[in-house]
Amino acid sequence: AQSVTQLGSHVSVSEGALVLLRCNYSSSVPPYLFWYVQYPNQGLQLLLKYTSAATLVKGINGFEAEFKKSETSFHLTKPSAHMSDAAEYFCAVTGSNTGNQFYFGTGTSLTVIP
Amino acid sequence: EPEVTQTPSHQVTQMGQEVILRCVPISNHLYFYWYRQILGQKVEFLVSFYNNEISEKSEIFDDQFSVERPDGSNFTLKIRSTKLEDSAMYFCASSELPPGTGGGEQYFGPGTRLTVT
Repeated sequence: AQSVTQLGSHVSVSEGALVLLRCNYSSSVPPYLFWYVQYPNQGLQLLLKYTSAATLVKGINGFEAEFKKSETSFHLTKPSAHMSDAAEYFCAVTGSNTGNQFYFGTGTSLTVIP
Repeated sequence: EPEVTQTPSHQVTQMGQEVILRCVPISNHLYFYWYRQILGQKVEFLVSFYNNEISEKSEIFDDQFSVERPDGSNFTLKIRSTKLEDSAMYFCASSELPPGTGGGEQYFGPGTRLTVT
């Protein structure tokens, strides 16, 4: 079975500081991992995805994530937070045996302090 | 840029009433999905749809739920007799490639907030 755990339902960082949003996955098969962002009153937008190619994945808006099999982690980072990064972030996992299902984490709300 | 759209953005209904949530997937996509998110909880898979039939459904998707692609553009979720616990944000998504593949990223709509009173 697949699942993801996002540690920290709320994260606050100062503008210009490092953003680190944590995601750990559980998967019985090699996973495909995704980070989605949700801005207020909008849908889920794909930030980046890991599909068993490079373990360091670069996404939109300066975000990146590193797949670490030994730690079963796929943490999302950004070197310098912008005010516009304030949003809800969701980690999701799917795999070759999950059929059509994405399994989402509970989300992390990012606040950027000016 | 193509996007998934959903209507209405907010629906209020009384318990026991039927509701239909509507979605227009991206035009060249072939795989369609519904998810829901109860306030403060995870986004949960409900159902996937391909080639005019359900491909997979979760335990949540019981007999009170149904999906339909009534024409070439709309994809609907019907809840026959709403319950208080159906109150949630419902997201529609679509993908070009088969799900369960790394390339089959899903594009989500903005959601419909359903409130059952």
